[in-house]
Amino acid sequence: SYELTQPSSVSVSPGQTARITCSGDILASKYARWFQQKPGQAPVLVIYKDTERPSGIPERFSGSSSGTTVTLTISGAQVEDEADFYCYSAADNGGVFGGGTKLTVL
Amino acid sequence: QVQLQQWGAGLLKPSETLSLTCAALGGSFSGYYWSWIRQPPGKGLEWIGEINHSGSTKYNPSLKSRVTMSVDTSKSQFSLNLSSVTAADTAVYYCLMFYYDSSDYYFDYWGQGTLITVSS
Repeated sequence: SYELTQPSSVSVSPGQTARITCSGDILASKYARWFQQKPGQAPVLVIYKDTERPSGIPERFSGSSSGTTVTLTISGAQVEDEADFYCYSAADNGGVFGGGTKLTVL
Repeated sequence: QVQLQQWGAGLLKPSETLSLTCAALGGSFSGYYWSWIRQPPGKGLEWIGEINHSGSTKYNPSLKSRVTMSVDTSKSQFSLNLSSVTAADTAVYYCLMFYYDSSDYYFDYWGQGTLITVSS
C-alpha cells in the first residue's frame, strides 16, 4: 500500500508564507488533492490536480509538484487559515491520505 | 447545490455491524463517485473506499474483508456497512460524493459526519 508523509506541524506569523509538503512514491504518477479541516467541521477541498484551485478558495492558496513531493503554499497566511491540512492521492486500487499537518498562524 | 445528509446508529457493541446511509439532496446524483472517509477522535483522515456509477468498488486493504458499499440511484442514496466492529472503529464517518473527468477536473460534496462509538 502507498503512504503519504506530511510534517506534523507548521507554524507561521500572520502575513508570512506557509508551506506544507507531502511526499510519497505515488505522487510521481498520480495527482494530489489538498483538504483543509477546521475543528468540528468536514474537510474542504483547497487544491486538486496538484495545482488547481476550486472556485471560492482564496488565491493565497496554491499548489506545486516536483517528483514525489507536492507542496501546498499559503501566501500571506491569515489567522483564519489555521487548521489541519491533509494531502490525498488515489492509486488505481484505492486512495490514501497523508497523516495531516496542523497549521498554526499566530 | 447538492447537500449530503447522512444517518446511522451512533452506538454499537463490539462484533455488531455499522450501517450508514447518505442521501444527496437538491441536485443531480448521476455521473458521480461515492466514498466514505473516517476520522478517529483526535486523529487523521482514513479512506475507507469508494463506489462508482457502475457499482464497481475499491476498498481500503486494511478494511476490505469487513466493508461493503452500495448505491441506490433511484433514491439518490449510498450506504456503508462495516461488520464485526471493535473499539478501533470508533470514529467520525463522513460520506463524500465526488466528480472527476478525463482531464482530472474534480469537485466534491461532503456529509456532516456521524460519530460512531463502539463500546460494550
